[in-house]
Amino acid sequence: QVQLQESGPGLVKPSETLSLTCTVSGGSVSSGSFYWSWIRQPPGKGLEWIGYIYYSGYSNYSPSLKSRVTISVDTSKDQFSLRLNSVTAADTALYYCARHKRGNNPFEIWGQGTMVTVSS
Amino acid sequence: EIVLTQSPGTLSLSPGERATLSCRASQSISSSYLAWYRQRPGQAPRLLIFGASSRATGIPDRFSGSGSGTDFTLTISRLEPEDFAVYYCQQYGNSFSWTFGQGTKVEI
Repeated sequence: QVQLQESGPGLVKPSETLSLTCTVSGGSVSSGSFYWSWIRQPPGKGLEWIGYIYYSGYSNYSPSLKSRVTISVDTSKDQFSLRLNSVTAADTALYYCARHKRGNNPFEIWGQGTMVTVSS
Repeated sequence: EIVLTQSPGTLSLSPGERATLSCRASQSISSSYLAWYRQRPGQAPRLLIFGASSRATGIPDRFSGSGSGTDFTLTISRLEPEDFAVYYCQQYGNSFSWTFGQGTKVEI
């Protein structure tokens, strides 16, 4: 059974870069059948899709975050990563990684999420 | 970007009752690429419905989805204790900008 696990610093200073990694177990990030996404949820608020990556390295980002986001993949480690630069308090959120089938498909498997707080 | 508006914001019901949740899109969603998720406190969202009306693997038949175009509905026929949670709709018809509704909380 495929499982996703987020990891990374829980505290980031304003203007710095947020970096998170999602490790895939029970499956492979190299599967050509899936996209791998990041989604976030500010405390007490709704969900926001950040972007996705394909094993080939092809990526696609939310227009509202595109200028600050980079998602990369490491097939040798079955991991994919998120970098969000120039963070502010508005980037404080629970960050999830998720898997969805290639093409127009919903998010079928989610990690447990990791909380990131932006504060000095 | 397609904006999804969910109503009501909060639904107060009792176990065994029927819940009807609405999701309205700012423009038509192609091929009914609309999903519903349930999020219990402290947990990640779980996919319930995709393609507007198809239940995901392992989802009991008390959950049903309907609708097309811009108006979609999630119905829970008989609320179980674990169904008191927040529900989100999501459109995935535009792969350059997937969006979620703001959520409906179903409370006792």
